Amino acid sequence: DGGITQSPKYLFRKEGQNVTLSCEQNLNHDAMYWYRQDPGQGLRLIYYSQIVNDFQKGDIAEGYSVSREKKESFPLTVTSAQKNPTAFYLCASSPSRSEQYFGPGTRLTVT
Amino acid sequence: AQTVTQSQPEMSVQEAETVTLSCTYDTSENNYYLFWYKQPPSRQMILVIRQEAYKQQNATENRFSVNFQKAAKSFSLKISDSQLGDTAMYFCAFMKLSQGGSEKLVFGKGTKLTVNP
Repeated sequence: DGGITQSPKYLFRKEGQNVTLSCEQNLNHDAMYWYRQDPGQGLRLIYYSQIVNDFQKGDIAEGYSVSREKKESFPLTVTSAQKNPTAFYLCASSPSRSEQYFGPGTRLTVT
Repeated sequence: AQTVTQSQPEMSVQEAETVTLSCTYDTSENNYYLFWYKQPPSRQMILVIRQEAYKQQNATENRFSVNFQKAAKSFSLKISDSQLGDTAMYFCAFMKLSQGGSEKLVFGKGTKLTVNP
């Protein structure tokens, strides 16, 4: 089946630890995105990548890092520098000049 | 920078009736796409409908249609014959088009729609 997978669905971490969220797609899309969703808010863009080995900061990149070593994969690391990491994280991909397709999301809780 | 405003945080409708969700946006661009996404309780984001700004004809997808008013920068979503499965958060989103390819989406804060039996 073609699609976008994110794992795990729920993730728990202690404050001060870095954590990496996985995002994989087999749709052969060039572009991939990471969004954060908080209660009562729309989605806010963290990072995006339009091509392998290249990525750009979105609106709220502080405290996050990404890599794009393969077309299929775009992992997001939430570092200890992120002040409020507890949130729902959504990964998306898209072909050129078209709509974005979303994964099922990862709920991260940091205590 | 582009902004998207959804002025109705919550709405409700009776099953089988029609409901319209509002969205306005602010941009100086002339070439862009607009989208409505649905997020049910599962939290999976699902594309409902897409409108290209250069097309004057309003997009339609089964029971879902839009009223796109480019001059007024308005992009409302009409859901006809509402079904219980339409209960969800609905997000309006704007995407500027560029030469280089894909562009980022700018989302509104969403409208929570409840369909009552």
